[in-house]
Amino acid sequence: RKEVEQDPGPFNVPEGATVAFNCTYSNSASQSFFWYRQDCRKEPKLLMSVYSSGNEDGRFTAQLNRASQYISLLIRDSKLSDSATYLCVVKPAGGATNKLIFGTGTLLAVQP
Amino acid sequence: NAGVTQTPKFRILKIGQSMTLQCAQDMNHNYMYWYRQDPGMGLKLIYYSVGAGITDKGEVPNGYNVSRSTTEDFPLRLELAAPSQTSVYFCASKGTADFPNEKLFFGSGTQLSVL
Repeated sequence: RKEVEQDPGPFNVPEGATVAFNCTYSNSASQSFFWYRQDCRKEPKLLMSVYSSGNEDGRFTAQLNRASQYISLLIRDSKLSDSATYLCVVKPAGGATNKLIFGTGTLLAVQP
Repeated sequence: NAGVTQTPKFRILKIGQSMTLQCAQDMNHNYMYWYRQDPGMGLKLIYYSVGAGITDKGEVPNGYNVSRSTTEDFPLRLELAAPSQTSVYFCASKGTADFPNEKLFFGSGTQLSVL
C-alpha cells in the first residue's frame, strides 16, 4: 500500500460548484498534513496546513480524520483560477525523520 | 530575495553521462530536499538533509548522490544517467520542522531528459 494515496481525477466541475478531494495515508502515527497546489509546469506551493480540528481559509476547508486515516479538501464556489493539481502531503512519524511524502495529486479543471 | 534557485532549467543527457543539478537557498534553512516528478505523477523524495553535513535517503535514492557541505547548497549528482531518470527535478527547503509553519519552498525545477 502506498504511504499516501489520492484519486488522480480529473475532476471537471462548473464554476461555482463545490468539490471535495480525499487523501488516505497508511501510517497511523503520521504527524503532520498539508495540501499543496501545483499549476501546470510549475513548482508546488503550500495551500493549507491541516489542523486536527479542521481549518478554513476563505473558500477552502481542510479536515483530518485520524480514525479513518484520511484528510480532505473542500473547495466552495469554484473559480476558473482554482484549476490545478492538488497534492496531499504527509509527514510520517518516527525518530528524526523529516521526510515529507507527496501523494500523486488530484487534477481539478473548473469549466466556465 | 531569491529563495530557492535551481540550475540548469533544462538538460539533455546521453545514457551513461553524469551531471550535477545545483540547488541553492538564501533563507538560511536547515532542511533541504530533492524530489523528482514523472509526467502525471506526484513528487517522489530522492534525498533530504536536515543540516550541513547530514543527508539521508528518501523513497527513490538509487542512481543519485547528494552532499551538503554548506547550509546554502544541496547539489544532486547523477552518475551513469539512464532513461528512467528522465523527469522534472525539484529542490525544496524549509526553515523549521514545527507544524504548521514547516512550509516547503520550491525551486522552479530542472527538466532532465536522458536519451
